[in-house]
Parts: sequence; structure tokens; C-alpha cells
Amino acid sequence: EVQLLESGGGLVQPGGSLRLSCAASGFTCDTYAMSWVRQAPGKGLEWVSVISGTGDSTYYADSVKGRFTISRDNSKNMVFLQMNGLRAEDTAVYYCAKDLAGDAFDMWGQGTMVTVSS
Amino acid sequence: QSALTQPASVSGSPGQSITISCTGTSSDVGNYDYVSWYQQHPGKAPKLIIYEVNNRPSGVPDRFSGSKSGNTASLTISGLQAEDEADYYCSSYTNSSSLRFGGGTKLTVL
Repeated sequence: EVQLLESGGGLVQPGGSLRLSCAASGFTCDTYAMSWVRQAPGKGLEWVSVISGTGDSTYYADSVKGRFTISRDNSKNMVFLQMNGLRAEDTAVYYCAKDLAGDAFDMWGQGTMVTVSS
Repeated sequence: QSALTQPASVSGSPGQSITISCTGTSSDVGNYDYVSWYQQHPGKAPKLIIYEVNNRPSGVPDRFSGSKSGNTASLTISGLQAEDEADYYCSSYTNSSSLRFGGGTKLTVL
């Protein structure tokens, strides 16, 4: 089955860290750029970061730049998001998404919830 | 990075057509044909319904269509059906190599 499966979410205190993982199955993800998109409770979608198929290029939203790092391990068909210096406003469901073309996401995971609270 | 501007809500009766607008700037919507639209039902992940302004992924009904004029993109849904009731988001590539989403539009099928 072709799918993306995120893991690693949870409750963390402000200033803490979490590492999200996204496992791709049913396709070889090194052909595609992959992104993380988040959605705060009751709010809209917010793009977080993208990594190219080779991992050579990465880009970040201003809101997470310097705190989050995206990476990938194509040998394991996985993408990661290291989140440091977490803030209350980072609380959201984090989705992993596959890039079809031009930053259009044709495949999404089920999402993993990150809650930043003391 | 503020969101692209979408109406908060739209509504229509079954069988009718509705259009959702998505307004950006010359740094995003107006400068690139990388505009996408997503449908999201409550508690579900978003689903891509339009990419590159007016292309439909396989399996998306041709009732869904997209267009763009200047800094504004539009999604039109014709022949509204009950299952079309959902939140809709636009997105656009930007000249800072990032992606902006719209604030979302809640579609109610009356």
C-alpha cells in the first residue's frame, strides 16, 4: 500500500525538543521532494519545510527557521523533522507530504500531534 | 508570511456551482503557475484536487476546476454534491522558495 506514516509527536515543555519521523511505503521517496505541513487546532494549514529528493536543498518557513531541521534517509525511505526550542505556537498536527510537482502535495500522512505546554 | 486571502465561507445548493477565490501578490500567485487546491474533511488529512492552477490529479472529478487571473486564483465546483461539504485551501509557491497557504474556506452544501 502506498502511504506515509508519521510518528514522534507528543507533549513537550516549552523550550524542549522532538524529532518527527515519516516513513514512506509503496514508493521510492528519493524521487520526490518531501515537505512538512502543520495545522494548529481549529486553524488552517501552514507549510513548515521542504527537502529535495537528494536532500541537498532545504527550505523553511520563517516561523521555524533556525529552530527546525528537515532531513531524510533515502536508504530507509524516511524523512525527519528535528524540532528544537519549541514554543506554544508550535502546537499542531504535523503532516508529512509528498510533492507531486511545483509544491503540490498529492500524498499526505495521517498526521502526528505535537503539543507544547508546561 | 501572511496567508493568502480566501473567503471564510461559501455555500450553495446541490447541483449549483460555487467559486472560491484565493488572492495573493505578485510575489506568489501572480508570478507562478504553482497554485494548488486542497479539500479537507473534518479530522482528515487534506486531499489535493487541483495543481498547477488547473490540473486535476487522477481520480478527481471534472466538476472541480481551477483558474488564475493576475494575483487571484479561483476554484470552481460545479454540480455541487453533499460530499463536497468541506474546508478548501489554496496554496502558492513564492519567490522566497517557500509555500503559502490560504486561510481556508468552509463550504456548506445547503
